[in-house]
Amino acid sequence: GENVEQHPSTLSVQEGDSAVIKCTYSDSASNYFPWYKQELGKGPQLIIDIRSNVGEKKDQRIAVTLNKTAKHFSLHITETQPEDSAVYFCAAPREDDKIIFGKGTRLHILP
Amino acid sequence: DAMVIQNPRYQVTQFGKPVTLSCSQTLNHNVMYWYQQKSSQAPKLLFHYYDKDFNNEADTPDNFQSRRPNTSFCFLDIRSPGLGDAAMYLCATSAGRETQYFGPGTRLLVL
Repeated sequence: GENVEQHPSTLSVQEGDSAVIKCTYSDSASNYFPWYKQELGKGPQLIIDIRSNVGEKKDQRIAVTLNKTAKHFSLHITETQPEDSAVYFCAAPREDDKIIFGKGTRLHILP
Repeated sequence: DAMVIQNPRYQVTQFGKPVTLSCSQTLNHNVMYWYQQKSSQAPKLLFHYYDKDFNNEADTPDNFQSRRPNTSFCFLDIRSPGLGDAAMYLCATSAGRETQYFGPGTRLLVL
């Protein structure tokens, strides 16, 4: 079955700098990779996703890259702002199309 | 705005006293999910409905039940809550195998 590993578990970056969170997956048949942002006391919110037919997708300050050969995908946040502080989860589909989450990365934006 | 709504946002119950959490959606999605999320952990899928078909995860305790009376509503029943059931409970919906959209969650406290 699918296994998703996410690193780092905690990340602190200076406001204005970039943040990168990385995930690996095990099932080469996986074809959809969402990223969720969860703020304290709230439910996860989809921020960006990528399908296996593209290598990169951008949405303003957020981008996701996918390397199918290496089976890893990454979230890139540029020009970080205080409101980017949250827990970020990557995910990948398992064989029954339900999603498996990574363990999460707690991102701290330092003033 | 189309959305996933959970009530109540906070629920306090006593050890062993049955409790019901509710979820409604205006997205007209055919799939609804219930997740349990404990502190500093990823959401864990308890079960889901694909239309009216109920799908239980193998490791979901019998203490957890669910009802989906119609497309818009889904309930999580905890028959005899234990201290270990204190968590955030998240409802999510999707249109078939597409992206999951989460509600704000219900935080359950067991006294």
